[in-house]
Amino acid sequence: GESVGLHLPTLSVQEGDNSIINCAYSNSASDYFIWYKQESGKGPQFIIDIRSNMDKRQGQRVTVLLNKTVKHLSLQIAATQPGDSAVYFCAEKGQGAQKLVFGQGTRLTINP
Amino acid sequence: KAGVTQTPRYLIKTRGQQVTLSCSPISGHRSVSWYQQTPGQGLQFLFEYFSETQRNKGNFPGRFSGRQFSNSRSEMNVSTLELGDSALYLCASSAGTITMTQFFGPGTRLTVL
Repeated sequence: GESVGLHLPTLSVQEGDNSIINCAYSNSASDYFIWYKQESGKGPQFIIDIRSNMDKRQGQRVTVLLNKTVKHLSLQIAATQPGDSAVYFCAEKGQGAQKLVFGQGTRLTINP
Repeated sequence: KAGVTQTPRYLIKTRGQQVTLSCSPISGHRSVSWYQQTPGQGLQFLFEYFSETQRNKGNFPGRFSGRQFSNSRSEMNVSTLELGDSALYLCASSAGTITMTQFFGPGTRLTVL
């Protein structure tokens, strides 16, 4: 069945450094992927998405990389700031499916 | 454009009771999805409605139900509450296109005592 997982449950980085959050997925037919950020007491906030016909997409300070060969997704955050502290979820949509499958999440902590 | 709103934000119920949660999607969005979030299980899909029809359903018991109105607002109902139903219930709306970019509300925190 579909499953989306994360390699690390927690990640600590120094303020100003770059962060890389990884995600593995098992459904090779998935055609759409999203990264969400969830701060304490709030709902998940959309960060960036990527379709399966792409391997890289950039946003403001964030880059998502998709490696379909190894079914791996990553989120890179440049020059991390204290406000980046949150739990980050990857989610996938299977081809033809009408729902998202979420990973367990990675807690990102920024050290001053 | 206003975001997704959910009411109430917090709710305390006792076992056996039933509860109704409400979600108002972003204006123009016709798809509403519901998720349950718990520390142990993470974000789990409950169901999705599009134009008042349930299009997809997750693996939850029949005690969990929902509906969508003609203005795209949605409600979910949980009957015969159990302690394990304590969770953050999240609603997300999307335009309903194939990319399914979903925008989440703040959630309703349900505590069952």
